[in-house]
Amino acid sequence: DVKVTQSSRYLVKRTGEKVFLECVQDMDHENMFWYRQDPGLGLRLIYFSYDVKMKEKGDIPEGYSVSREKKERFSLILESASTNQTSMYLCASSLGLAGGGAQFFGPGTRLTVL
Amino acid sequence: GQSLEQPSEVTAVEGAIVQINCTYQTSGFYGLSWYQQHDGGAPTFLSYNALDGLEETGRFSSFLSRSDSYGYLLLQELQMKDSASYFCAVREGTGGFKTIFGAGTRLFVKA
Repeated sequence: DVKVTQSSRYLVKRTGEKVFLECVQDMDHENMFWYRQDPGLGLRLIYFSYDVKMKEKGDIPEGYSVSREKKERFSLILESASTNQTSMYLCASSLGLAGGGAQFFGPGTRLTVL
Repeated sequence: GQSLEQPSEVTAVEGAIVQINCTYQTSGFYGLSWYQQHDGGAPTFLSYNALDGLEETGRFSSFLSRSDSYGYLLLQELQMKDSASYFCAVREGTGGFKTIFGAGTRLFVKA
């Protein structure tokens, strides 16, 4: 089974702090994604990566950056956390076009910025 | 712009059939997917339609009409455990890597 793990289930940070969210997948998937999920808004794509060191902006990249130095790991960075970044963050990976691009999600990190 | 529309809530009785609709407006359409998410859980992939027609997987079926920019998820023989949120998602953009999700439909199954 595909396994996607995220470094923390719950995280509390202060405004202005730099925050790192880590995601690791064990199925050699090319594509990885970061979403945030807020009530009534569904999942919104922040960034995605289709290869090592490659990244593409999603719909809401402002205030975020990403890093993909190894195929299995995709990190989301909040350079200076703000209260409006309080959210559930979900990481996903997929094989790409094969299998319809089915995405496999990690358990999520609920981030609270005070 | 890009958008996906789906009902916010649907209620149905155990054993019944329910259809969750999704209309979309996106660029470079590659296919329509459906995901299920239980409270406190992660989304899980249910189905994918790249071509027009019906795809059946057990009690769940998914339909796509590309000309109408419309699809639906059909759940048969509803069970209490089907109570969850259901998201439609469109793969779009160059290469089809980018995925846009709808806001989700909350399904309540009553006894």
